[in-house]
Amino acid sequence: AQTVTQSQPEMSVQEAETVTLSCTYDTSESDYYLFWYKQPPSRQMILVIRQEAYKQQNATENRFSVNFQKAAKSFSLKISDSQLGDAAMYFCAYRRGGSQGNLIFGKGTKLSVKP
Amino acid sequence: DTEVTQTPKHLVMGMTNKKSLKCEQHMGHRAMYWYKQKAKKPPELMFVYSYEKLSINESVPSRFSPECPNSSLLNLHLHALQPEDSALYLCASRDGRLAGGPADTQYFGPGTRLTVL
Repeated sequence: AQTVTQSQPEMSVQEAETVTLSCTYDTSESDYYLFWYKQPPSRQMILVIRQEAYKQQNATENRFSVNFQKAAKSFSLKISDSQLGDAAMYFCAYRRGGSQGNLIFGKGTKLSVKP
Repeated sequence: DTEVTQTPKHLVMGMTNKKSLKCEQHMGHRAMYWYKQKAKKPPELMFVYSYEKLSINESVPSRFSPECPNSSLLNLHLHALQPEDSALYLCASRDGRLAGGPADTQYFGPGTRLTVL
């Protein structure tokens, strides 16, 4: 069975600094997708970034980028120039390819941003 | 547009009440999901609908009854709930018609905060 592990229950970063959130996963599948979702106190789960396993290039979305290490099964999220609005719970998620694959979430990392 | 809407935002109900949660999307997505989320925990999958048919029921108690009247709408009917069912209920949708990229991404609604007294 696939598993997703986020080893940092809480992280803190100074405004304008850079922070990296860790995520590892375990799978025997070759076709899968990885996601980072953000859930602020307002509670809506917002997609931050998506990575297809077959793509070697790391995904980037503005200040957010990932370090995807397929062999190591690692998928970390880097947030550059952190802003107060980045404070939230961040969930790493895995989905295997195909129509029946469902999201498997890590336990989440709570990110605080200090002014 | 990747909007999924949910109503109501908050719901308080007694254990003998019957209520319904509603989820709507107009993105043409063909897969829709219900999740339950407890505080400080990740979402737990409850139900999956694919092309308006129930494809996955994660052993959810029968006091939760899902319904998909059409491709845009998903309901969750609640009856005889217990206080431990108090949680945030999230709806999500996914394109499901194609493979890869955005089509394999789930988009979430804002959730309904349910309190069972």
